[in-house]
Amino acid sequence: DTGVSQNPRHKITKRGQNVTFRCDPISEHNRLYWYRQTLGQGPEFLTYFQNEAQLEKSRLLSDRFSAERPKGSFSTLEIQRTEQGDSAMYLCAREEGNTGELFFGEGSRLTVL
Amino acid sequence: GESVGLHLPTLSVQEGDNSIINCAYSNSASDYFIWYKQESGKGPQFIIDIRSNMDKRQGQRVTVLLNKTVKHLSLQIAATQPGDSAVYFCAENYTGRRALTFGSGTRLQVQP
Repeated sequence: DTGVSQNPRHKITKRGQNVTFRCDPISEHNRLYWYRQTLGQGPEFLTYFQNEAQLEKSRLLSDRFSAERPKGSFSTLEIQRTEQGDSAMYLCAREEGNTGELFFGEGSRLTVL
Repeated sequence: GESVGLHLPTLSVQEGDNSIINCAYSNSASDYFIWYKQESGKGPQFIIDIRSNMDKRQGQRVTVLLNKTVKHLSLQIAATQPGDSAVYFCAENYTGRRALTFGSGTRLQVQP
C-alpha cells in the first residue's frame, strides 16, 4: 500500500465529455503530483501541488485540463471536452517528506471513444 | 536535450538467475535517480533510489549502480523470481526540480 487512493480506476467516456479524477493521499502530505502514462511509455509529469498551491504545470497540461487541491489534502484532475488522445492512465503520487521519493497510486485509466 | 532512456526494451531471464537492467541519462545535472517496478494495471512501485554522491546502493535482492562518468545507471536483481516479472523504469531528477523524468521502460520476463 502506497498510501495513495485514486478513483475511479477506469473511466470510459465519449469524445467531448468531461471527466474528473480524484486522488486521496493517506494523510496531508506536503506535495502531491499528477502524471500521465500512455501504453508502453513511462509516466510524464503533468503538475504538482505543495499544500493547496499548484506550483508547476507541464506543457502537456492543455487548457482543457485543470487540477485542484482545495484544502491541501485530496486533489482532483478534470479534463474538459475529452479527445481520443487523452486516453491514458492518470497517476497521482505523494512525496515522502522532502526526499523526492514518489509513491504512486494505482492510477485512473481513461478511455475516450 | 534532457532524456532518460533504456538500452533494451525486453529482457528475458531464467528463474534464479541474476538480472541487470540498464539505463542511460543525458542530463549531467541529474543528481537523484529512482528505479520503479510496474506490474500490469498497477501504478509504479518504488524499488530503490540513489543520489549522485554514491556509486552503489543495495536493498533486498536489488542493487543500483551509478556511473556518473558515462551517465549510466543499472538495476541488478539477484535470484530473479517469477514475481519480478514487470516493466522497470528508471527516473531521474536534479536539485531544484520537482518533476521526475522517466525512461520508456524495460520489460523483464522471468522464465520458470
